[in-house]
Amino acid sequence: DVKVTQSSRYLVKRTGEKVFLECVQDMDHENMFWYRQDPGLGLRLIYFSYDVKMKEKGDIPEGYSVSREKKERFSLILESASTNQTSMYLCASSFYRYYEQYFGPGTRLTVT
Amino acid sequence: QKEVEQDPGPLSVPEGAIVSLNCTYSNSAFQYFMWYRQYSRKGPELLMYTYSSGNKEDGRFTAQVDKSSKYISLFIRDSQPSDSATYLCATSQGGSEKLVFGKGTKLTVNP
Repeated sequence: DVKVTQSSRYLVKRTGEKVFLECVQDMDHENMFWYRQDPGLGLRLIYFSYDVKMKEKGDIPEGYSVSREKKERFSLILESASTNQTSMYLCASSFYRYYEQYFGPGTRLTVT
Repeated sequence: QKEVEQDPGPLSVPEGAIVSLNCTYSNSAFQYFMWYRQYSRKGPELLMYTYSSGNKEDGRFTAQVDKSSKYISLFIRDSQPSDSATYLCATSQGGSEKLVFGKGTKLTVNP
């Protein structure tokens, strides 16, 4: 079974803090993705990575950065958290050029 | 115009009903069509996929794609309370790992 794990299920941070969200997959997938999910807006792609140290911006990259130093690990960084970044963050992974994405359980981030 | 449109519902049906969930899309380059199911407080999981037009059946679930009208459907027969979840349609172009998701339809099946 593919497993995608995320470091926290719930996180509460203060405005201006630097926030790290970690994602690890155990299936040797080339691609990894970060989404945020908001009511009425659905799933929106923040960044994705198709290889170690490679990244591409998604639809809403502003205010976020990512890091992929190892194939199995993809980190999402909020340099200076703001209240409008309160959301559910979902990590996913897939094989190269393949449509099926496997999702982690999500991290519900609240920025106060 | 959004690339994939999906009625968010919510949709509430009695147990045993036939459920129809639908999406429309605008980009004729899309070739892969997927349905993901997301239970409350969980990540989405792939339920079914189809390539190009046609039907695909898996147990009580049938996925249907009509490329001429750019319409994607998921039918659930003999719906069960365990089918209560949010269903997201998704599409991608050939050879692309980036998916475009609908906003999801929340379904509740009442015992």
